[in-house]
Amino acid sequence: ILNVEQSPQSLHVQEGDSTNFTCSFPSSNFYALHWYRWETAKSPEALFVMTLNGDEKKKGRISATLNTKEGYSYLYIKGSQPEDSATYLCALHSGGYNKLIFGAGTRLAVHP
Amino acid sequence: KAGVTQTPRYLIKTRGQQVTLSCSPISGHRSVSWYQQTPGQGLQFLFEYFSETQRNKGNFPGRFSGRQFSNSRSEMNVSTLELGDSALYLCASSPLPLLRLEGPNTGELFFGEGSRLTVL
Repeated sequence: ILNVEQSPQSLHVQEGDSTNFTCSFPSSNFYALHWYRWETAKSPEALFVMTLNGDEKKKGRISATLNTKEGYSYLYIKGSQPEDSATYLCALHSGGYNKLIFGAGTRLAVHP
Repeated sequence: KAGVTQTPRYLIKTRGQQVTLSCSPISGHRSVSWYQQTPGQGLQFLFEYFSETQRNKGNFPGRFSGRQFSNSRSEMNVSTLELGDSALYLCASSPLPLLRLEGPNTGELFFGEGSRLTVL
């Protein structure tokens, strides 16, 4: 059974702080790693889809890195803003399956 | 371009009843997948449809079923509801199945806002 772990479970930071969280996954049969942002009462929205070991992607103040050999990805938020408050989900796409295996998420609260 | 639309958004049922949830994908998207979220759990994969065919199914009992129509709209049905079926059910669409990273398919899923089912 494939298991995707995210840490920490929740995080409270002050506006302007930079923060990062971790997604760990089994490295065998890797196909892609997804990051989604899920604001309360809205739908999850894709941030990044990463496929290559060593990949780094950036969208505004948010960036992500990927290490497929050791099975982890980091998501970084630089200069957090209150609008960054959301649950951040990572999901593993393992080869051979048309499905994603999601972690339980990291809930981020950014306080003004 | 309209997003993924799920109906109903909220519903309350009692144990033993059955429920049907509907999902209209983004126009042009032919792959639809369903996920369940219960408190404390990550999103759990239910099934995925492409061209009216179920391509993949998660570890859920046979009470959970689905189908896809020729216009790519999808429905999922849960029969003989149990208290543990109370959850948020999310539908997601993509142009092609996840494994087919070609053309317009970047691999990302586009989610609806979900249908929140409460079973009493």
